[in-house]
Amino acid sequence: EAGVAQSPRYKIIEKRQSVAFWCNPISGHATLYWYQQILGQGPKLLIQFQNNGVVDDSQLPKDRFSAERLKGVDSTLKIQPAKLEDSAVYLCASSLLAGSSYNEQFFGPGTRLTVL
Amino acid sequence: DQQVKQNSPSLRVQEGRISILNCDYTNSMFDYFLWYKKYPAEGPTFLISISSIKDKNEDGRFTVFLNKSAKHLSLHIVPSQPGDSAVYFCAGNGIGNQFYFGTGTSLTVIP
Repeated sequence: EAGVAQSPRYKIIEKRQSVAFWCNPISGHATLYWYQQILGQGPKLLIQFQNNGVVDDSQLPKDRFSAERLKGVDSTLKIQPAKLEDSAVYLCASSLLAGSSYNEQFFGPGTRLTVL
Repeated sequence: DQQVKQNSPSLRVQEGRISILNCDYTNSMFDYFLWYKKYPAEGPTFLISISSIKDKNEDGRFTVFLNKSAKHLSLHIVPSQPGDSAVYFCAGNGIGNQFYFGTGTSLTVIP
């Protein structure tokens, strides 16, 4: 079974530039998550999708971050414009379903973003 | 607010000995707790979980203990192996299957 795919693996940009990350979840997984992991910290949830709808985006800095999952499969996360503090690893995860019970989340390898 | 805390950023253990990684939480509504393992340049991989209604779950060399009254859980690895060297994240599972992660503990197993 193929895992969660993410691209690119690494990205270096200058502040105020734009950047986009792509994620393809495990086939059949209805729920997709984007996390931000700053060095020395644990992953922090940015946004959660169920199929193509947003379940929770309360921690997404909406003035500069946006995400979409138009067909309920793959997803893109965009930052425009980037700030120095956005330097982090952006992790995508997916799970079968997010209901009232626990479902294991499977993580992709992440995209390491460096903002100069 | 940090709902899950791992107060030890690093741990060094001799091969063959026991590794004990600790985690504290504040949210009493978590219904599951999980441990994830992360190697450099890879995403976290699931290691073991425990339901909030249990106090122990064992899987091979890995055992997780939950003390709800103390809001504390721990991961025991026995015996520790060099391949266990990684960063270990504790997480609580909340409403909507949202995971709240701790800051991680870097385990080094010395051959």
